[in-house]
Amino acid sequence: EPEVTQTPSHQVTQMGQEVILRCVPISNHLYFYWYRQILGQKVEFLVSFYNNEISEKSEIFDDQFSVERPDGSNFTLKIRSTKLEDSAMYFCASSSGYENYGYTFGSGTRLTVV
Amino acid sequence: QQQVKQSPQSLIVQKGGISIINCAYENTAFDYFPWYQQFPGKGPALLIAIRPDVSEKKEGRFTISFNKSAKQFSLHIMDSQPGDSATYFCAAKKSNSGYALNFGKGTSLLVTP
Repeated sequence: EPEVTQTPSHQVTQMGQEVILRCVPISNHLYFYWYRQILGQKVEFLVSFYNNEISEKSEIFDDQFSVERPDGSNFTLKIRSTKLEDSAMYFCASSSGYENYGYTFGSGTRLTVV
Repeated sequence: QQQVKQSPQSLIVQKGGISIINCAYENTAFDYFPWYQQFPGKGPALLIAIRPDVSEKKEGRFTISFNKSAKQFSLHIMDSQPGDSATYFCAAKKSNSGYALNFGKGTSLLVTP
């Protein structure tokens, strides 16, 4: 079964450093998303991306965040200057655009900011 | 503003019992309501989803009941098994692609042997 692949599975970074989280969505999917989940809390939407541009973003997705699809397979989330409160599990997801199939989520990257 | 409210926060059910998780939403523009199952260390996985043109959808032991007028929907897990022990999230979104999934806070289900 097709999977969304995320790397790394765990990243530890110092406060103020830049991090890039990487995702390989399912190959024939057209819509890409980033969500985050602070430990023990609900999954929160960050951003959706379609046709090489952001289609929707949440209040969380401020100027410190950016997304990019640098080639035909990768989808990245960059946090420019990490803060302690950015520590969370970050999930990439993709969808085909046919809603009956829903989203497919990756296994996540656990980001720890120290 | 919490767009999707989920209850209970945690649930313990005996093997063979029925697990019931409830959700309520506020935005009448939502028209796609999925349930996700999440095991520790994994991403949410789509379990079952419903649109508001039907009041119930069943897939195996999992059933969604939908009440459009009350803006509520629920997940029933029949004959609950220990392997069903996981966190369950309801969600809601506008059905057009690209819109955000709005998740409930999750229900931690434990099915005891």
